Amino acid sequence: AQRVTQPEKLLSVFKGAPVELKCNYSYSGSPELFWYVQYSRQRLQLLLRHISRESIKGFTADLNKGETSFHLKKPFAQEEDSAMYYCALISGGSNYKLTFGKGTLLTVNP
Amino acid sequence: DADVTQTPRNRITKTGKRIMLECSQTKGHDRMYWYRQDPGLGLRLIYYSFDVKDINKGEISDGYSVSRQAQAKFSLSLESAIPNQTALYFCATSDAGTGELFFGEGSRLTVL
Repeated sequence: AQRVTQPEKLLSVFKGAPVELKCNYSYSGSPELFWYVQYSRQRLQLLLRHISRESIKGFTADLNKGETSFHLKKPFAQEEDSAMYYCALISGGSNYKLTFGKGTLLTVNP
Repeated sequence: DADVTQTPRNRITKTGKRIMLECSQTKGHDRMYWYRQDPGLGLRLIYYSFDVKDINKGEISDGYSVSRQAQAKFSLSLESAIPNQTALYFCATSDAGTGELFFGEGSRLTVL
């Protein structure tokens, strides 16, 4: 079964500290993975996807197929990074399915 | 710019009432979705549609129905609302090529 696990419901760090939001997945095929972010009083939006291998707002995420992980990292957290973060996996083809993790609420303290 | 618009944004209703949440989009996407967000449970897929003639159940479709009136419109109905359907509901569209989802602002439903 396809599954996305975000083990931390809450994560609190201080401004300037490194942050890592964990995401592990279970999928037998070749996954497409995404991170979505929801800032306070804003709509959910795409942060980054593994295919593009880009850095957005200082965040990066590397797909590790051996560890089935797609952790989101930022070397120096900012207060404006405080938000809910969701990891998501798409399986494609005729058996399309999109699965979200349960989310991690990141708080960056001053 | 409101590419994906949901109405109403907030609704309070009573048990047993019929409720419709509406979603319209100007992105020109064929794919549309309805999600439910609950604290600690994340986002769960209710229904999705890949084009006007295509409707598919998600993981929690019981108690809900949908209608795809046009490429731009996808409505979610609760035929007889119950309190555990109290949640924040999101409509989304997606780009078939990239898979990226574009969300509406959400409709907060409270069933008393």
